[in-house]
Amino acid sequence: AQKVTQAQTEISVVEKEDVTLDCVYETRDTTYYLFWYKQPPSGELVFLIRRNSFDEQNEISGRYSWNFQKSTSSFNFTITASQVVDSAVYFCALSVGGSQGNLIFGKGTKLSVKP
Amino acid sequence: DGGITQSPKYLFRKEGQNVTLSCEQNLNHDAMYWYRQDPGQGLRLIYYSQIVNDFQKGDIAEGYSVSREKKESFPLTVTSAQKNPTAFYLCASRSRDRGQVDTEAFFGQGTRLTVV
Repeated sequence: AQKVTQAQTEISVVEKEDVTLDCVYETRDTTYYLFWYKQPPSGELVFLIRRNSFDEQNEISGRYSWNFQKSTSSFNFTITASQVVDSAVYFCALSVGGSQGNLIFGKGTKLSVKP
Repeated sequence: DGGITQSPKYLFRKEGQNVTLSCEQNLNHDAMYWYRQDPGQGLRLIYYSQIVNDFQKGDIAEGYSVSREKKESFPLTVTSAQKNPTAFYLCASRSRDRGQVDTEAFFGQGTRLTVV
């Protein structure tokens, strides 16, 4: 069975702090994809990143970075120098079986960045 | 602009009524999905469709029904059999990638359904 666990329900930081959102996944498939989405208060999910199971390179995009470690089945997301606009719910998701299959989501982490 | 449109944004239902949530996409995506979001529960899959005239139940399909008569449209009906329908409903779509890559899903802005 596939599963995504985001153990942090809510995180609160002060602006300019760095923050890491944890994601642990479970799957027996050798080919899978991992995603991060951001859900601002407006409700729509915004795609942030996709990573396949064969690519363990870390990725950096501006203030965002992602650390994928197959050894620990984790795909963590770090925001450097957080800003108030980063306040949102962040979801980690797992996909197996191709694009016609299901996306399995974690329960999300609500991030509040205070000025 | 290409995207996914959900309507209405807010919907109120009386107990015992069926209501239909609309989802339209102009991205030419093959797969479409309906998720339900409750506070603290993440997104749970209701139904998904990989091609026209075909769909599969997700984890919480009871009390819901769907149709996929056109590629662009995937309406969700919340029936009176759904005992606790108050929630935020999100529709999504994904393209079929011929290189066997799992593509990302694109989401609509959601419909907030409230039972009154």
